[in-house]
Formats: sequence, structure tokens, C-alpha cells
Amino acid sequence: SQTIHQWPATLVQPVGSPLSLECTVEGTSNPNLYWYRQAAGRGLQLLFYSVGIGQISSEVPQNLSASRPQDRQFILSSKKLLLSDSGFYLCAWSKRDRRIFGPGTRLTVL
Amino acid sequence: AQKITQTQPGMFVQEKEAVTLDCTYDTSDPSYGLFWYKQPSSGEMIFLIYQGSYDQQNATEGRYSLNFQKARKSANLVISASQLGDSAMYFCAMTGPGSARQLTFGSGTQLTVLP
Repeated sequence: SQTIHQWPATLVQPVGSPLSLECTVEGTSNPNLYWYRQAAGRGLQLLFYSVGIGQISSEVPQNLSASRPQDRQFILSSKKLLLSDSGFYLCAWSKRDRRIFGPGTRLTVL
Repeated sequence: AQKITQTQPGMFVQEKEAVTLDCTYDTSDPSYGLFWYKQPSSGEMIFLIYQGSYDQQNATEGRYSLNFQKARKSANLVISASQLGDSAMYFCAMTGPGSARQLTFGSGTQLTVLP
């Protein structure tokens, strides 16, 4: 069966520090991968998606970036965090129309 | 552009009763998928049910059923025999066009089940 992992689970970072969140998928090959952000009490906003290794599409302009170095690995990064980057970050994978989300990373920028 | 609307920010239901969570959508794509997810306070996004735009029958998954009315562009979630553990935020979502078929989410409905 397919599983999706995210780490870390929680993170507290100062403004201006770098960020690296990792997402890995098991039990499937060549999935579509997605990064979403959820602000407190809000819905999900799509940040990036990837249909294959090295292929990244950005949905909103921001100081975040994403990379897909391997088929089942998706990384969300920032060189300098902003206060507005705080939120709950969810990775998801899909194959055909099935969508499964990871457990999420709760990021607090101070 | 696609749009998902959930007009009920909060709902209350008595334990063991049924509840309907509303969702309407707008899209010009003839092929789309509709999803419902449950998000408890832990934050995990739990897949509940899926309906394809060409599916003839309404989807059902245990106590969850999706009331799909294509002409009205609605995809309401019905939870039968509510349980205390059903208290959570519920999101309606739909897939978009293109190869990535990314999901567009509604704003969510906070369901509280009362004992």
C-alpha cells in the first residue's frame, strides 16, 4: 500500500532563517506530487506541483521553492523565511484521481 | 477558472443523526473529480469519498455518501449515524484540468457532533 511521509512534524524557525521540508512517498512510482499550505483556520492553498523528476510548477509567487530530486521525493525550501510563511504544510501525491495527503509539518516563524 | 463553495462555516448535529454538508462547484471542464476530506484537530487530511464527473451512481463509503447533482453543480456529503469522532473540519475539493489535475479546495465546514 502507498504511504507518504513528511518531516519534521513541527518546526519553529526565526525570521530570515532557511527552510527545508521533505516529503517521500512509498509504494508507488511516478506519482504527481503537491505542496499545500494551510494558514490557521483557513483552507488549503496549492503552492507547487510536480509531474516528474525535476519538473516543478509554481502556483503562487512567493519566497518558497520546491525541488524533486528523485521520483518519490519532494522538497520545499526557502532561503529566508518570513513571518507570513507560518502555517501547516501538507504534501500530497496522486495517481489518476486518487489523492493522499501526508501528516503535515506545522511551521512557526518567529 | 474553477471554484468550490462551502456555505456552512459551522454545523452541529446530534449524535446518531444524519447530517448533510453542502458543496457547490463551478468549472468549464467536462471531466473532473470531486473529493471530500476530513481534517481533525491533529491536522491530518483524511480522504473520505470520491465522485467522478462521469460516474452514473452516487459514491458511497460506509457511513459517507455523496449526493451528486451534476446539473445543479452540487456535491453534498451525507454522514449517516453521526459519531462523536466525526467532529472535525470537512473540506470539499475538485480536480482541475491539465496533466497534474491539482485540487482546488473549498473553505471548509466545521462539524460538531453533540452527545
